[in-house]
Amino acid sequence: ILNVEQSPQSLHVQEGDSTNFTCSFPSSNFYALHWYRWETAKSPEALFVMTLNGDEKKKGRISATLNTKEGYSYLYIKGSQPEDSATYLCAFKKGGGADGLTFGKGTHLIIQP
Amino acid sequence: DAGVIQSPRHEVTEMGQEVTLRCKPISGHNSLFWYRQTMMRGLELLIYFNNNVPIDDSGMPEDRFSAKMPNASFSTLKIQPSEPRDSAVYFCASSRLAESYNEQFFGPGTRLTVL
Repeated sequence: ILNVEQSPQSLHVQEGDSTNFTCSFPSSNFYALHWYRWETAKSPEALFVMTLNGDEKKKGRISATLNTKEGYSYLYIKGSQPEDSATYLCAFKKGGGADGLTFGKGTHLIIQP
Repeated sequence: DAGVIQSPRHEVTEMGQEVTLRCKPISGHNSLFWYRQTMMRGLELLIYFNNNVPIDDSGMPEDRFSAKMPNASFSTLKIQPSEPRDSAVYFCASSRLAESYNEQFFGPGTRLTVL
C-alpha cells in the first residue's frame, strides 16, 4: 500500500495572504507527482505533473516544488483569493507503466474575505 | 470534446438493489479509471483499464462490485447487491496510455445513496 500524506488537512487563510501545504510520498520507485485542484460540486482538475527532482512548476499565483529524494512536494499560493478555495489533491505515480495514481486525502483550503 | 461523461449524476436506491454506473471516456483516451470518494478514505482507485482490458482491480472492495469495458467508449461499474456503506461519490477518469505521466481527466461523478 502506497502512503501519500497531505498536511494540513484543512487550512483557513485570509484573502491576500500567501500559503503553502505539503504532500509526502514514497521516495523509492518514484515516477511522477500530480497536483489536482478540486472545487466543491465539481470534478478534480489537473494543475501540475512533476517528474524531476528539483522541479518547480508555476501557473499564475500557484507554484509547486518537488523533492524526490526525501519524498515531498510543496504547493504555494501567493496572494490568496476567494476563488482559490478548493481541496488540493496530490497523487503519486510509481514505476513507468500505466499504473493508476495513488491520491492523498487532500488539503481543504478556505480563503476568508 | 465533451469531457468524461458519467451517468446518472445522482442515484438513490434501497439496500439490496442492483446499481449500474456508466462512464464514457474522452475520445482517443485508452486508459479508464474508476474511483470512489468517501470522507473517511478520500479518493480511492477501484479498478482501471488499458485498451478495454482490466489491469488492476485490487481496489475493488468485494465481490459485489464488478466493472466492464466492452468497448473503447463505454464502461460500467455495477454493485449487486448494494449496501448502505456503498454510499459515496464514484468518479470515472480517462487518460492517454501513450502519455506515460498519466494526467487524468475526471468526470463529474455519480453521487450514490443506498438507503
